[in-house]
Amino acid sequence: GGIITQTPKFLIGQEGQKLTLKCQQNFNHDTMYWYRQDSGKGLRLIYYSITENDLQKGDLSEGYDASREKKSSFSLTVTSAQKNEMAVFLCASSINRGWEQYFGPGTRLTVL
Amino acid sequence: GQQVQQSPASLVLQEGENAELQCNFSTSLNSMQWFYQRPGGSLVSLFYNPSGTKQSGRLTSTTVIKERRSSLHISSSQTTDSGTYLCAMDNNNRIFFGDGTQLVVKP
Repeated sequence: GGIITQTPKFLIGQEGQKLTLKCQQNFNHDTMYWYRQDSGKGLRLIYYSITENDLQKGDLSEGYDASREKKSSFSLTVTSAQKNEMAVFLCASSINRGWEQYFGPGTRLTVL
Repeated sequence: GQQVQQSPASLVLQEGENAELQCNFSTSLNSMQWFYQRPGGSLVSLFYNPSGTKQSGRLTSTTVIKERRSSLHISSSQTTDSGTYLCAMDNNNRIFFGDGTQLVVKP
């Protein structure tokens, strides 16, 4: 078994601020994902990475940057926080793209 | 347009009743997965089921690729089954999640 940890659990920022969310996994999975979940909605893919230093854009990549520094970690940066992107950000990993995904506990973003 | 349609959007059951949740896909799929989510909670994988039928306890998932649909059957529902059920599909090009079915099981 393994675990995915996300930090911080709660993130509060000012409008226009640059904010970074972090994700770590110890499954030794190659692929990692960042999703955004708006209240009462399904998840939308922001970025994913199939290996260290790889980045692939999802449907919601505008306004975000990502970094896969090493196999076990995947960071997401909100480049200029906006009130309309207050949501829960979820990180996931899988052995490879298209295989079963495992999720972290999420980071809830509030923009003041 | 909506690539993944989940139905029903919400469902209220009396404890002991069965439920059938559906996901319909507008494109062909290579993989699909069912998740359970409590309010404010993360996603717990119920089934990774690209095709065929899988069962785990009171839960059964059936995916029919050529019909572009998957179902989740809950038998003898319990109050602890309450929450949101999400399906997701990957067609090797994009990943799509449905908006979920909110299930409430009353005692």
